[in-house]
Amino acid sequence: GAGVSQTPSNKVTEKGKYVELRCDPISGHTALYWYRQSLGQGPEFLIYFQGTGAADDSGLPNDRFFAVRPEGSVSTLKIQRTERGDSAVYLCASSLRGGGLLNTEAFFGQGTRLTVV
Amino acid sequence: AQSVTQPDIHITVSEGASLELRCNYSYGATPYLFWYVQSPGQGLQLLLKYFSGDTLVQGIKGFEAEFKRSQSSFNLRKPSVHWSDAAEYFCAVGAMEYGNKLVFGAGTILRVKS
Repeated sequence: GAGVSQTPSNKVTEKGKYVELRCDPISGHTALYWYRQSLGQGPEFLIYFQGTGAADDSGLPNDRFFAVRPEGSVSTLKIQRTERGDSAVYLCASSLRGGGLLNTEAFFGQGTRLTVV
Repeated sequence: AQSVTQPDIHITVSEGASLELRCNYSYGATPYLFWYVQSPGQGLQLLLKYFSGDTLVQGIKGFEAEFKRSQSSFNLRKPSVHWSDAAEYFCAVGAMEYGNKLVFGAGTILRVKS
């Protein structure tokens, strides 16, 4: 596609429910990143994929958060037993190759705004 | 711990006036420095980045930034602001030693008066 696509753009869920957030990276981009942006804050790193594998998941806040990228393209961020504190904008970015955001420009999607009520 | 500080939450400038957005970082490694812009309804867009070499970096849309190691700063500047520059600006820092993460500041919201 022309850019990184994230769906849904908005998601409202009840506390305790399970949610999935989807990211479609730019075609051919091997690296994919998830960030979380809470209100009034800058984006915070969650996880980085190189191909199908999670090369760095050190930013995931706890075991309720999980992300997959089974075919090395689309990625899904999964949140179990959602809490009100999970409310944030979840950003996805992709880049052409690995080496992370330091060496390769990453392109960000518009984000999914998650609200837990 | 790594941190990025953007001291100004909001800045308002008149169209045509000059702009400087401040960024200070604390990093235990050789930093890679970035400025991103986020317009309403848009994803983050990279304005410029500094890895090494000339400490004055030119970016897109007429922006530039200067790396000052002695002050641990990477301030963003533009000589003449346009109304379309109204957006939120984020400074970010990374280092090879810390892998692929970027640490972002909290952002500065720029308002442009006509």
